Amino acid sequence: NAGVTQTPKFQVLKTGQSMTLQCAQDMNHEYMSWYRQDPGMGLRLIHYSVGAGITDQGEVPNGYNVSRSTTEDFPLRLLSAAPSQTSVYFCASSYRRGGLHEAFFGQGTRLTVV
Amino acid sequence: AQSVSQHNHHVILSEAASLELGCNYSYGGTVNLFWYVQYPGQHLQLLLKYFSGDPLVKGIKGFEAEFIKSKFSFNLRKPSVQWSDTAEYFCAVKGSQGNLIFGKGTKLSVKP
Repeated sequence: NAGVTQTPKFQVLKTGQSMTLQCAQDMNHEYMSWYRQDPGMGLRLIHYSVGAGITDQGEVPNGYNVSRSTTEDFPLRLLSAAPSQTSVYFCASSYRRGGLHEAFFGQGTRLTVV
Repeated sequence: AQSVSQHNHHVILSEAASLELGCNYSYGGTVNLFWYVQYPGQHLQLLLKYFSGDPLVKGIKGFEAEFIKSKFSFNLRKPSVQWSDTAEYFCAVKGSQGNLIFGKGTKLSVKP
């Protein structure tokens, strides 16, 4: 089972460049989310989606865009990269069964902006 | 606003010592609570989860957690840690929109 697949694993960008982090899941999960992980800050939610065509902002959305045209894919776009966006990015997908909600994480993308 | 607090930033233990990592949450609705572990250089993996029923939850690798509703707590425990338990541990609660709200994490270093 592939689960949640993120690409690329590593990326170096110059300030001002744009790029898209890819995330795909093959579990038919409704929910997908993007988090960034910074030392001492835990994981902070950037954007999330509760289904195809529906997205919303999380805790730290500035500088990022998302779209959800299919159930499987949830790309994260950096519009104009800044050094403050240097971080490790995790995509997660989750299902809801009854009242239980469980998330599965991708392997992460380590992004450095110089 | 929903939040999760983890009391310890860094815990250092010797092998065979007992472990307890604190987690408190603020959320008034039905709680789904989780502990995730992140080994160095890896992604997050689920250790255990609580949804309903028995408040003492057993997870993988000998970990357990106890949900105490009156204290809004979900502390993680292990009777005897191993060097391989060295990792960062994150407590999380499901938010109202289905996303997870994480604590800042606790680094555990186990000395052989």
